[in-house]
Amino acid sequence: DTGVSQDPRHKITKRGQNVTFRCDPISEHNRLYWYRQTLGQGPEFLTYFQNEAQLEKSRLLSDRFSAERPKGSFSTLEIQRTEQGDSAMYLCASSLQDLGPQHFGDGTRLSIL
Amino acid sequence: GQQLNQSPQSMFIQEGEDVSMNCTSSSIFNTWLWYKQDPGEGPVLLIALYKAGELTSNGRLTAQFGITRKDSFLNISASIPSDVGIYFCAGRPVGGADGLTFGKGTHLIIQP
Repeated sequence: DTGVSQDPRHKITKRGQNVTFRCDPISEHNRLYWYRQTLGQGPEFLTYFQNEAQLEKSRLLSDRFSAERPKGSFSTLEIQRTEQGDSAMYLCASSLQDLGPQHFGDGTRLSIL
Repeated sequence: GQQLNQSPQSMFIQEGEDVSMNCTSSSIFNTWLWYKQDPGEGPVLLIALYKAGELTSNGRLTAQFGITRKDSFLNISASIPSDVGIYFCAGRPVGGADGLTFGKGTHLIIQP
């Protein structure tokens, strides 16, 4: 069973550094979503792709954040000039179709020193 | 933005007891989903609901999409130790983003 895969699982970096996370969705899922989750809260939507097109970004996605899905398969989320407030779990989810159930990966936990 | 009110925030129950939790919103939703999250892992989908009034079961779990389309509940019958975890409701408001809006979670703790 190949579910949503995220890499790395943990990332520790110094403030001001750039970080990049990768998400591999469930095979054949054309929709891919990024969420951020802080301690004690539910996940918050950041952005999503249908195939390679980025269709929506939330207001949480500052200019320092960029996401890509160049071939409509895996996706990357990059954070530039990281800040303390970026410390969180970054979750990726995928779904087969519009309004279909979203299946999540185990996330990348980012810690900013 | 949209907010979901999930309650209770936490529950302390005895093994074997039934559990009920719910979620309400101020706007109409066209999808309700329930997830369970264990520490250090991503949310795992339990039940997905797509129609007002829909009642769906998954083993000992039962969830319903409220007829007003502004609420949903999740019941767990005969709780067992592995039910421990955080349960999240999530949904899509009508006319809203395709991304899910999540509640703050219900932390279920089972006392032996």
